[in-house]
Formats: sequence, C-alpha cells, structure tokens
Amino acid sequence: SQQGEEDPQALSIQEGENATMNCSYKTSINNLQWYRQNSGRGLVHLILIRSNEREKHSGRLRVTLDTSKKSSSLLITASRAADTASYFCATDGLMDSSYKLIFGSGTRLLVRP
Amino acid sequence: GAVVSQHPSRVICKSGTSVKIECRSLDFQATTMFWYRQFPKQSLMLMATSNEGSKATYEQGVEKDKFLINHASLTLSTLTVTSAHPEDSSFYICSAFIRGATNEKLFFGSGTQLSVL
Repeated sequence: SQQGEEDPQALSIQEGENATMNCSYKTSINNLQWYRQNSGRGLVHLILIRSNEREKHSGRLRVTLDTSKKSSSLLITASRAADTASYFCATDGLMDSSYKLIFGSGTRLLVRP
Repeated sequence: GAVVSQHPSRVICKSGTSVKIECRSLDFQATTMFWYRQFPKQSLMLMATSNEGSKATYEQGVEKDKFLINHASLTLSTLTVTSAHPEDSSFYICSAFIRGATNEKLFFGSGTQLSVL
C-alpha cells in the first residue's frame, strides 16, 4: 500500500537555487520522515518530524508539517550538484492495527552544475 | 549506530529458481522487520511485516507463497523469492524496527538488486 503522494514528480534546478518538495498523506501519523536515495542505492534518513511539531531544521534542510492538511514539505536551500537524488517522504503510525512505515511516490531532483 | 546488513547486494538468477535474501540486525534485536520492493523510478512498496516467531503479515496483492518470509530469530529475517520470474526483477530492501521508550526507529539495509533472466 502507498500512503503518500509527492509533487513534483521530477524537479530540475540550477546549483545554488532552493528545491521544494511536497508530500501529502491520507491517515493519522506518529511521525513523518524524509529519505534520500541515490540511483540504485539504499536509503539515507534525512530528518524526522513528529506529528506535534510544525517545523524542523537540519543543516540546509527545512521540513514543515501541517497535520490539518495532511501535508509536509522539504526545502533544500543552496542546492548542490551532489543533492541530485530521489527524495521520499514516509509516514509511520498504526495502520491496520500494526506499526508501518509507508513511503510516498517520491520526487526525482536534478541539480545542474 | 545501529546497522542492518542485507545480503546479497546483487543477484542474477535464471527463471524458475529461488533466491534467498537475508537481513540481519547487527547490534540490536529487532522484533519487527519490514520488506519493501522497488521497481525502477518508483517508490518503495511495503510487501510484508515480519515479526519474530510468528507468521509474516503480507500487504494486499503480495503473494505469500511467492515471497516466503522467515523471522526465526531477533536478528535475522529472510525473504525467499520462489520460482522467480523476470517480472520479479526488482530492488528489495529490508528494514528493522526498534521501539524505544519514547519513540520508534527504523534502520534500513542497503538493498538487493534481483535480476531474473
């Protein structure tokens, strides 16, 4: 099952620009997490925001969460070519009476040097 | 930090053979492990939840007889793709779950790229 939808599906920006990715989800959550994945590789955990938090920062990353709208955004400031990757949001919580982590559809980010 | 080891990282097999993928939590005990499948340029789809000592819970549309999951110990879960076919070619990732006093944490394996010829 897939819970979240992300937009845009693909994003191409120039190095130095900011990149914003959005994620929407459907059910109640405990936390929302953002992951990064380079092509054909494993996942790298970027940041976790709890359901009672509204904004969180980590380095060049800024995450917001709006539980009333069931949406989150990931902002990468001053992007670098090395930020080129796919980015996924993932929501965790009880679903069907068991804990699950469900991923969104992902955004493929290309940062042009 | 906690590490999840997943093997093999890449496997190529002939159609009709079975392939076993192992997922080990190296320095912690994981009562629950998750198995995901990812097709090229798509997201990770949860296949099943594996609980130590009990039967796995499969997501809708995932064939339990096709994807056998065994979680015999607190540090090892295995996924066996039985009678693999080319359409089973995919990237498979496991994740180990720890429930702490105040939060939950997930640690991911590095994934297995399965190619069925």
